Amino acid sequence: SQQGEEDPQALSIQEGENATMNCSYKTSINNLQWYRQNSGRGLVHLILIRSNEREKHSGRLRVTLDTSKKSSSLLITASRAADTASYFCATSGGGGYNKLIFGAGTRLAVHP
Amino acid sequence: NAGVMQNPRHLVRRRGQEARLRCSPMKGHSHVYWYRQLPEEGLKFMVYLQKENIIDESGMPKERFSAEFPKEGPSILRIQQVVRGDSAAYFCASSPLGGTSGNEQFFGPGTRLTVL
Repeated sequence: SQQGEEDPQALSIQEGENATMNCSYKTSINNLQWYRQNSGRGLVHLILIRSNEREKHSGRLRVTLDTSKKSSSLLITASRAADTASYFCATSGGGGYNKLIFGAGTRLAVHP
Repeated sequence: NAGVMQNPRHLVRRRGQEARLRCSPMKGHSHVYWYRQLPEEGLKFMVYLQKENIIDESGMPKERFSAEFPKEGPSILRIQQVVRGDSAAYFCASSPLGGTSGNEQFFGPGTRLTVL
């Protein structure tokens, strides 16, 4: 089964609202990362949170990590239409050698 | 400092042909990773290379796929005798450090392979 599964699979909100995406994983990790992918494009790294951290902020982004529940959440506050994209969590360190294991992603649509 | 470069950005091949995908890591990065993304799915790890060494190829199909990262030049992902199921976006990522410590990976724009 897949490490790193996001929910919801799709999320539709209005500009100005907050968007929360969740990620669960199965094995132990060194860190968890969140990426954004615009349609048909490459991945943009958003934030990395290490296994000994519980919360991290970057601009309008807030990431939490609960290693006891093997879960993470990404909160985007005051969303904008430009935030429309797919968001992926990726874990590292569960199987060695820093390979990233991605979930299937959450497709976020922010309507003006 | 240029980011990770991949070429070509789009590649069309007929069944049975060979596909060669190139990746130039960021300057100073000696660790390269290849991932494959099928439509509407997340990325799947394929292979991790350092200069002249394959470190982890646990995600590579056993046949037709190979990867290299020579001392000089870009990393190459080679797919022989392509089939329609190989149609996907192939992403390369690089990092300055590897190992098991976990570090940010910087992704290229991807190569979109279409097999007719």
